This record gives sequence, structure tokens and C-alpha cells, in this order.
Amino acid sequence: AQKITQTQPGMFVQEKEAVTLDCTYDTSDQSYGLFWYKQPSSGEMIFLIYQGSYDEQNATEGRYSLNFQKARKSANLVISASQLGDSAMYFCAMRDQGAGKSTFGDGTTLTVKP
Amino acid sequence: DVKVTQSSRYLVKRTGEKVFLECVQDMDHENMFWYRQDPGLGLRLIYFSYDVKMKEKGDIPEGYSVSREKKERFSLILESASTNQTSMYLCASSWIRFFSAQHFGDGTRLSIL
Repeated sequence: AQKITQTQPGMFVQEKEAVTLDCTYDTSDQSYGLFWYKQPSSGEMIFLIYQGSYDEQNATEGRYSLNFQKARKSANLVISASQLGDSAMYFCAMRDQGAGKSTFGDGTTLTVKP
Repeated sequence: DVKVTQSSRYLVKRTGEKVFLECVQDMDHENMFWYRQDPGLGLRLIYFSYDVKMKEKGDIPEGYSVSREKKERFSLILESASTNQTSMYLCASSWIRFFSAQHFGDGTRLSIL
């Protein structure tokens, strides 16, 4: 069975600094995808970034990058130059090749301080 | 851009009522999902559908049913609403390919009185 672990229930970061949100996963599959989503206080879930298990390069999308360490089964989200609008809950999720559904972590609440 | 639209942002119903939550997506996605989100419990999958008229139970299907008569529309039905079904409900859709992200609607905050 798949499992996603986010060990940081809450994180604080100073505006303009970088922050890393941790995510470890467990799966016996070789082909899988890893995703990060952002949920502001307004409630909608926003897809941020994707990493495939066979991708050799770490994924990047603007200020978001994914630090993918396959041997350690970790897929940490790095947000550079934090902004006040980055304050939100962040979810790590995984989907394997055979599954229609994703497994989500419990989320990390990020607060950006001015 | 993918658009997933949930019929209501806020909804208040009474116990025992039959409640319908509607979700429509405009990207021809094969998969559609219904989640419920409660503080401290994360995102829990209620049902998902991978094709018209096809459905699979998620983690917490009790007290819910779903309907997918058209590819773009996925309905969640609370057969007889109870107060413990007060929650935030999120609909999502995705392509069938495993590397496809889910795209979410804005959510429905449902209160059962």
C-alpha cells in the first residue's frame, strides 16, 4: 500500500527566505508520480508541481522546485523567495501507474512572516 | 485552463434531507473524485469514477452514493444527511494517465443542522 508522510504540521518562514517542506513516501511500484498541491485559506486546491519516478532532473516551476531523492524515497518541496501569499497548507501526493486515485499526506501549514 | 465547477460554495441542509452536490469539469477527463476534508483528518476519498457509470468506493463511502451519467458530471449524494456529514467537500478530475495531476473545484462547505 502507498503511504505519504509529511512530518511538519506547521512551518514558519520569513518573507523572501527559502523554505523546504518535507515529504517521504512508501511504495513498492517502480512507476509513480509525485505531486504537490497548495490550499490557501479560501479552500481551493491548486496543483503546483509534478515529479515522475523516472525523471532524472528535479522538477522546477517558477519559485517551486522538487528535491527528489529516489533512494531515500523523499520528494521535498522547496519554495524560494517566500511571499506572504505563499501562506497556505501544502499537500504532497503520490499516484502509481496502476492506480486511478492518489494518496495524500496530512499536509503542512506554512506561515510566511513579514 | 482546466475548470472544475462545484455547484455551491456554501450549503446548509437539515438532518434527514437528501443532498446533492454537483461537479462539472470541462477537460474531458476520464477520472473524477469526491473528497471530504475535516480539520486534523486530511483529505479522505469518498468515491471516484474512471468512466461514465463506473465508480469505486474510496476510504469513507458509508452514507454517500455517486452518479456519473455523463463524462463531464459527477454527483455526490447524501442519502439521508446527518450532522456528522458537516464538512468541506472537494471535487477533482484528472486524466487516466498516472502522471496526470488532479484539478480541484473550489469546494463546498456543507453544514447539516
